[in-house]
Amino acid sequence: DTEVTQTPKHLVMGMTNKKSLKCEQHMGHRAMYWYKQKAKKPPELMFVYSYEKLSINESVPSRFSPECPNSSLLNLHLHALQPEDSALYLCASSGRTSGDEQFFGPGTRLTVL
Amino acid sequence: AQSVTQPDIHITVSEGASLELRCNYSYGATPYLFWYVQSPGQGLQLLLKYFSGDTLVQGIKGFEAEFKRSQSSFNLRKPSVHWSDAAEYFCAVGAVNMRFGAGTRLTVKP
Repeated sequence: DTEVTQTPKHLVMGMTNKKSLKCEQHMGHRAMYWYKQKAKKPPELMFVYSYEKLSINESVPSRFSPECPNSSLLNLHLHALQPEDSALYLCASSGRTSGDEQFFGPGTRLTVL
Repeated sequence: AQSVTQPDIHITVSEGASLELRCNYSYGATPYLFWYVQSPGQGLQLLLKYFSGDTLVQGIKGFEAEFKRSQSSFNLRKPSVHWSDAAEYFCAVGAVNMRFGAGTRLTVKP
């Protein structure tokens, strides 16, 4: 299994809602990543988990809260988002945090009303 | 600080023609370099990567890239483009905190 899966594919939420994005991989990778991609822009790194511990937070607002319950699963909890947070949220995983290529999921298209 | 520049925002080529997408990087040490492709609304797929060794790297879908340290470049090439190659192409540098270039959108004319 060389796949990263993300659910849901699409999410529409209001600014007062709480929702979560889910990412899963079964490749035995020990590093997992969240990226945010706005339309016609490159992906921007948000968080990196290495061996289930948060190793990088790229100064992301606290309304985004990542969680890594186990080595296969990565969540992104969303609360009190703003319309400008609407974007494609991509999850990725890699075998190590240094040097290995990252495998990307298909993304969750988030719209904040 | 590491960074990537893709000078061409949009390139149009005819089907069957050759393709070269440019990428210049800035990195303090031996760079980890990648080319990814993204179709609209989709995730990214790795085309090829360079860590060390042979500077001409072969990838999937008939793509290759050449690492030139003296020019800080890692250009992507394909000898004959197919209509299905139309997509957004991203060059990236780094390992953990990978940085992407702005991307080059490829249009293929019939």
